[in-house]
Parts: sequence; structure tokens; C-alpha cells
Amino acid sequence: ETGVTQSPTHLIKTRGQQVTLRCSSQSGHNTVSWYQQALGQGPQFIFQYYREEENGRGNFPPRFSGLQFPNYSSELNVNALELDDSALYLCASSLAGGRETQYFGPGTRLLVL
Amino acid sequence: GDSVTQMEGPVTLSEEAFLTINCTYTATGYPSLFWYVQYPGEGLQLLLKATKADDKGSNKGFEATYRKETTSFHLEKGSVQVSDSAVYFCALSDRDTNAGKSTFGDGTTLTVKP
Repeated sequence: ETGVTQSPTHLIKTRGQQVTLRCSSQSGHNTVSWYQQALGQGPQFIFQYYREEENGRGNFPPRFSGLQFPNYSSELNVNALELDDSALYLCASSLAGGRETQYFGPGTRLLVL
Repeated sequence: GDSVTQMEGPVTLSEEAFLTINCTYTATGYPSLFWYVQYPGEGLQLLLKATKADDKGSNKGFEATYRKETTSFHLEKGSVQVSDSAVYFCALSDRDTNAGKSTFGDGTTLTVKP
């Protein structure tokens, strides 16, 4: 069973640029959630995708967007990067339904200069 | 909105000491409660969970009981090991959503010394 993978592991961008982060879900999982984890804080829910449709969103502006593909891999896109976007971005896959266990990837560390 | 409050760290213990990490929550409904662990350089792993009041979640010697009356889900282990050194996160998810929309606490860093 393949776990959740994310790429790249680290990324440096400058303010105003755009970035795309990628996630490959655990085999058989049709739901992916993205989280932002600032240094010293817990993960904050960005949004969730279920069967290629957005299925809930946290308190993040529209410049944070996502996609989920038919093979259930997904992308997180962030436009007009700001310094405060520097964080660890985590994706987690799961099966749809109540209280299903999430499986997290190792994260992508984004630094915005 | 929903929120989770964890005891502030870092927590430093000697091997074989007793561990308690406090967690309290605020939620409008009847949430499910979780503890996750994050080892250095790795993603979060589910440690244990409880889905209704008075449930006890347990795994790898860790335990936590869902206390609705005190809105708490404290993590305990009777005898910690050096390998338990990690960051521990308490989290909740609303009853009507799945675990993918969890609200997390800020984490508690545990260091266990030999």
C-alpha cells in the first residue's frame, strides 16, 4: 500500500509569485484535504476535495485554489504569494464518510521572501 | 466556531515517567476527537481517536477518554520512552463532517530523556 506523497519537499518563492504544490493520495482514497501549518502552530484546514469537487473550505482567500484529478492526485495553487504564506503545507487523504482516518503526507515547506 | 486548546509545551520527561498532555475543546455539536503525533521531518500520524462521549481511544500505550462534561480529551501514557519524543496534536471534527475537516490545537512538544 503506497502512502501519501507530496512534492516538492521544499520551495522558495518571492512575494507576488504563484506556486503549485502536488499530492498523491493513498491508493483507493477519494478524498483529499489540504492544511497550512505555520511554524509552532497546528494545521489549519484550507479545503477538501471529494471526487474532483471542492467539498468544504476553511477561512482562506480565493487566491488559494485546488484541483483533484481522476486518479485522485491533487494540487494546491497559491497566487500572489505573501510573506505570511510561508508554512508547511500538508495534504491528507481519506475515504469519504464520517470520521474516516486521514493519512498525511510529509508536507511541502514553502518559504516566501 | 470550533476550537481546541492544548497545554503549552515543551514537556520534558525522563524515560519511564508518566505523561499527561491536556486538551480541551469547544464545539457546537458532538465532535469526534483525535490525537495525532508528528515525528521530526514527517507528516502527522493518527495516534488514537474517540467518536462519542465516554469512549476511550488507545494505541501504543497511549490513552485518552472523551469527557463531554468537561469538554476534555487528555492524552496519557504510563511509561514514556525516548522514542515517544515528538509533537502531539489534539484535534476535533464535527459530527456531520468527516475527519478531513479537522480543527487542530497548536501542538505540544514532548522530549523524553534517557
